[in-house]
Amino acid sequence: AQSVTQLDSHVSVSEGTPVLLRCNYSSSYSPSLFWYVQHPNKGLQLLLKYTSAATLVKGINGFEAEFKKSETSFHLTKPSAHMSDAAEYFCVVRGQAGTALIFGKGTTLSVSS
Amino acid sequence: EAGVAQSPRYKIIEKRQSVAFWCNPISGHATLYWYQQILGQGPKLLIQFQNNGVVDDSQLPKDRFSAERLKGVDSTLKIQPAKLEDSAVYLCASNIGGKNTEAFFGQGTRLTVV
Repeated sequence: AQSVTQLDSHVSVSEGTPVLLRCNYSSSYSPSLFWYVQHPNKGLQLLLKYTSAATLVKGINGFEAEFKKSETSFHLTKPSAHMSDAAEYFCVVRGQAGTALIFGKGTTLSVSS
Repeated sequence: EAGVAQSPRYKIIEKRQSVAFWCNPISGHATLYWYQQILGQGPKLLIQFQNNGVVDDSQLPKDRFSAERLKGVDSTLKIQPAKLEDSAVYLCASNIGGKNTEAFFGQGTRLTVV
């Protein structure tokens, strides 16, 4: 079975400071991992994805994530937060080809000026 | 490229009434999903189609929920009769296929059952 655990339900940062959103995964197979962002009243948008080609994955808007198999983690980072980064972030796993995406419970990122 | 289209955007119904949601996926995407997102939670898969066949409906409450994708393109999700706990955003997503490919999501339908 596949699952993801987002370790923080809410993260608050100041504008210009680093962002770290933590995610651990569980998968019986070599997983594909994704981070999606959801702004209020907007649809889910893909930030980045890990597909085993490289362990450090760069995404849109300056976000990146590192796949660590030994720690079963896929944490999302950004060097400097912007006010527009305030949103809900979801860590997502797919274990096998042909199966659906399994979502974590989400982390709300707040950015203060 | 056109995205995933869903309608309506919002719906308010009374409990025990019925409601239907429509989804048109991205052209050429064989896989279609319906997810339910309750406020404050992550999306939960209700049903997955591959073309017009059901791949996974293990979490669909089949006593009240039904879905179809008759021609392998657009899809309809129905709830009959609705309960208060069905209040949620219903998300449709599509995927071209393949383990490493992402799903593209529609804007969702926000259902309120009163």
